Amino acid sequence: SQQGEEDPQALSIQEGENATMNCSYKTSINNLQWYRQNSGRGLVHLILIRSNEREKHSGRLRVTLDTSKKSSSLLITASRAADTASYFCATEANDYKLSFGAGTTVTVRA
Amino acid sequence: GAVVSQHPSRVICKSGTSVKIECRSLDFQATTMFWYRQFPKKSLMLMATSNEGSKATYEQGVEKDKFLINHASLTLSTLTVTSAHPEDSSFYICSAPGMETYNEQFFGPGTRLTVL
Repeated sequence: SQQGEEDPQALSIQEGENATMNCSYKTSINNLQWYRQNSGRGLVHLILIRSNEREKHSGRLRVTLDTSKKSSSLLITASRAADTASYFCATEANDYKLSFGAGTTVTVRA
Repeated sequence: GAVVSQHPSRVICKSGTSVKIECRSLDFQATTMFWYRQFPKKSLMLMATSNEGSKATYEQGVEKDKFLINHASLTLSTLTVTSAHPEDSSFYICSAPGMETYNEQFFGPGTRLTVL
């Protein structure tokens, strides 16, 4: 069942600005992952953070995880028009099954 | 990186017909694949886990006789929507865990099903 909730639902920013989105979940997890989806397409894996990690970086992406608050954030720095997409968090508890959040739609204006 | 393909990318069918969607891992073997459905502007809902050589396991609320899954080989899983109705119209996406980084899943491009 879907356990992640994301906010905001939608975000519109100017190119070059940073975009931050948050994800909350309800149960214990092994890891939390962030995915990106362009309109009408499949998902692309961005980053995975394990339950014993607090922060992780990958290029312009920065992810934090607070297991005490059951929340995570994804920061995209220096955004580009090509970053326009929907971003989903997904939690994995066991059996490699992913439970997805509702997603944040990011629009980067040129 | 690993590539997962889906076929067809789009399908339109009449109510009452059955539709088969294929999910293939192109350059790696996948003993497990996952099937999701996604409604417009909504999240992905896991439908079932496809297991090579054994029966699929379905999530609560998903009718196994409605959504038939066959994992015929280490690179192919199929989802058949039987006796499709307009409410089955959706975006169906499959995924497979990577062989080296099992936690990272590789998603197919999705299949848009429209039932008239």
